[in-house]
Parts: sequence; structure tokens; C-alpha cells
Amino acid sequence: RKEVEQDPGPFNVPEGATVAFNCTYSNSASQSFFWYRQDCRKEPKLLMSVYSSGNEDGRFTAQLNRASQYISLLIRDSKLSDSATYLCVVARGAGSYQLTFGKGTKLSVIP
Amino acid sequence: DTEVTQTPKHLVMGMTNKKSLKCEQHMGHRAMYWYKQKAKKPPELMFVYSYEKLSINESVPSRFSPECPNSSLLNLHLHALQPEDSALYLCASSQDGGGGNQPQHFGDGTRLSIL
Repeated sequence: RKEVEQDPGPFNVPEGATVAFNCTYSNSASQSFFWYRQDCRKEPKLLMSVYSSGNEDGRFTAQLNRASQYISLLIRDSKLSDSATYLCVVARGAGSYQLTFGKGTKLSVIP
Repeated sequence: DTEVTQTPKHLVMGMTNKKSLKCEQHMGHRAMYWYKQKAKKPPELMFVYSYEKLSINESVPSRFSPECPNSSLLNLHLHALQPEDSALYLCASSQDGGGGNQPQHFGDGTRLSIL
């Protein structure tokens, strides 16, 4: 099993749609989880940290299931500006500096 | 706008040149990182500095030499690079080293091309 696996994508969705991304991780000792977005030829930008109880930030909702080692990101009411690659990121172990990035899922929101 | 500043934005150099990449942050973060990213791939960690000391070197070739002059600055010295070293080099910082949910914040990178 790869350290961090994501939906392969690409996802092409119309404006206003709801889209969900899934991610699994292999290291059960991982404690920190994040979603980043990366636009073409730009740096990764933190979208949100993922907490055990789940968390929401506007149209974005992140969920964590430690038992299944599974993370999700839900985007509601998609905007054109949401088009980007979404990276699932996991710290390799408890208190680790070392992040493992998934390969990313490309989202294109279509008018 | 990113709070981690990298210079230069673009760099073209020959295989015999010596150059340096620079990174600066003023968020009071005590951990700083260098990553390498090739096209259509995720970032790969190269080095981690924590409290100005090198704490992780991910088996990076010696032609890459990191330096942390102070808590706000991180340099990457380049010498005798190979064409396969062409990539986007990203600097990141986080509040402190390891422990808890400490997201890393990235600079906008230096796009390096080796001729």
C-alpha cells in the first residue's frame, strides 16, 4: 500500500456541483493531516488542516476516519476558482516534520 | 500573497556554475524546509532545519548544500548541478519543529533550469 493514495482524477464538474475527494494513508502512527491546493506552476497552499472530529471552512468540509485510515474533502457549490490540484498530505508519524504528499487530484470546474 | 519569500523566481545556470537560492520568512517560525518538485509530481522533501540546526537530510546529493544563517533565512547553495536537477524548488516554514498539527507554509518557489 502506498503511503498516501488519492483518487486519480481528473474530476470535471459543472459550476455549483458538489465534489468529494478521498485519500487513504498507510502509517497508522500519523497524527497530522492536511489538504493543500496547488494551481498550475504555483506553490502548494494550505487549504485546511483535518481534525479528528471533522471540520468545515465555508464550502469545504474535511473528515478523518482513523480506524479506516481515510481522509476526505467535500467541496460544495463549486466555483471556477476551485479548479486546481488537491493534495492530501500526511505527517509520517507522531510529531513528524516529514510530510508525505499524495500525487494529487486535479479538479476542473466547468462553466 | 505568500508570507514565505523566495528569490530568485527563475534561475538558469550551467552545470559548472555556483548559485544560491534564498528563502525568508518573518512569521517567527522555527522550522524551515527545502523541497524539490518535478512537473506533475508532488513535492519531495530535501532538508529540514529546526531551530537553525539541520535535523533532516533526505539523502540529498552533496551538490546541494543548505544553510540557515538565522531563524528567518534559509539558503540552498548549488554547485555542479545536473540537467535532471531542473525543477521547482520550494521553501516552506512551520511554527516549530514536529509535534501537533503544524501546517507548513510554502513560498512560491524558484524555477531552476540546468543547461
